[in-house]
Order: sequence, then structure tokens, then C-alpha cells
Amino acid sequence: NAGVTQTPKFRILKIGQSMTLQCAQDMNHNYMYWYRQDPGMGLKLIYYSVGAGITDKGEVPNGYNVSRSTTEDFPLRLELAAPSQTSVYFCASSRPLNTEAFFGQGTRLTVV
Amino acid sequence: DAKTTQPTSMDCAEGRAANLPCNHSTISGNEYVYWYRQIHSQGPQYIIHGLKNNETNEMASLIITEDRKSSTLILPHATLRDTAVYYCIVRVASTNAGKSTFGDGTTLTVKP
Repeated sequence: NAGVTQTPKFRILKIGQSMTLQCAQDMNHNYMYWYRQDPGMGLKLIYYSVGAGITDKGEVPNGYNVSRSTTEDFPLRLELAAPSQTSVYFCASSRPLNTEAFFGQGTRLTVV
Repeated sequence: DAKTTQPTSMDCAEGRAANLPCNHSTISGNEYVYWYRQIHSQGPQYIIHGLKNNETNEMASLIITEDRKSSTLILPHATLRDTAVYYCIVRVASTNAGKSTFGDGTTLTVKP
């Protein structure tokens, strides 16, 4: 079982560049999420989606955009990379309501 | 969601039980207690959850006090591979699983 797959695993960006972090899940989960985790800190929710075509902001959405055209995929877009976006990004998915979330292995992003 | 308080770090000897406490004194009647762990910057992994009864699965046991203001995650026979950051999360059952608030957690170090 692949679960939640994130690509790439590592990426170095220059300030002002843009990129898309990919996330795919094969569990037919309606709900998907993007988190960031700064060194030594807990996870902070960036964006989430409750189904194809529906997205909403989390705690720290500034500087990011998302789209959800299919149930399986939930890409995260960084338009103008800044050093403050250096972090590890985790994608997760879940079924509705009282269940657990399944996380990907993360994308480690460095902006220089 | 109710706020949780966990010790910053704990040590445990290999083969012994690891008891990780969590305080959630403001928990509401419809809020569940969830535990996740994160091994060496991998994506968080669900462990167990409960409402008011004690719960056990293949990974751990969860003991919730009668007043529900605190709980303890028990790893009965800790191994070196259990070294990780453990997160205690409290959330309403109707909340999306991925919208959980991850604090700083407890860093458990299992020593030989």
C-alpha cells in the first residue's frame, strides 16, 4: 500500500522562485491537508480540502496556494519563495470525522 | 480544541514500560484524546485514541482519568525504535482528523 506519497523529498529553491509540492493518496480519502514543521516545533496547518474542488485556509496560509481537481491529488504551490518558507512540509489524508490522519514522509524545502 | 500540556522530554530504559503523561484539564465532554508519534522527522503516525474508557491496541494502551482531565500513553515494552516525539491531541469527534493541533510534544528517548 502506497498510502500518502509526496514528491520531491528534498528541494533547494532560490528566493523568488516558485515550485509545486506534489501529494497523492491512494486510499480514496475525501480529506487532505498540508502542514509545515519548522525545526524543533510542532506541525502547523497550511491548507486543507474536504473534497475535489473544495479547499480552505488553515493556520498559516500566506505565501501558499492549493488546488484539488481530483480526490487523489492535492498539490501545494509556492509562488515567490522566501527564506521563511524553509521548512519540512507534510501532506496528510483522512476519511471524514472521527478517524486518524495518514501522513506522507515529507518534503524538506530550503530557500536560499 | 482543548489545550494540552506534555513534558518536553522523557527517558526510558529499553524493555521497560514508557508512561507518557498529558494534561488536558479544559477538555469538553465531546472531545477525544488522540496520540500520534513522529520518528526522526518522518510523517506523524497515529497510535491510539479514546473518549473516556481505557483503550488498548497492538501499539500501546491509553489510560484516561475518570474526570478526563489527564491521560497516559503506555508503551508496555519500549524498544530503541520507540524513540520519537509523541503528540497528545484533543479534538471534537466531528472535527476533521487532519485539522488537529500538534503542539511541541514529548521527546521520548529509549536507552539501552
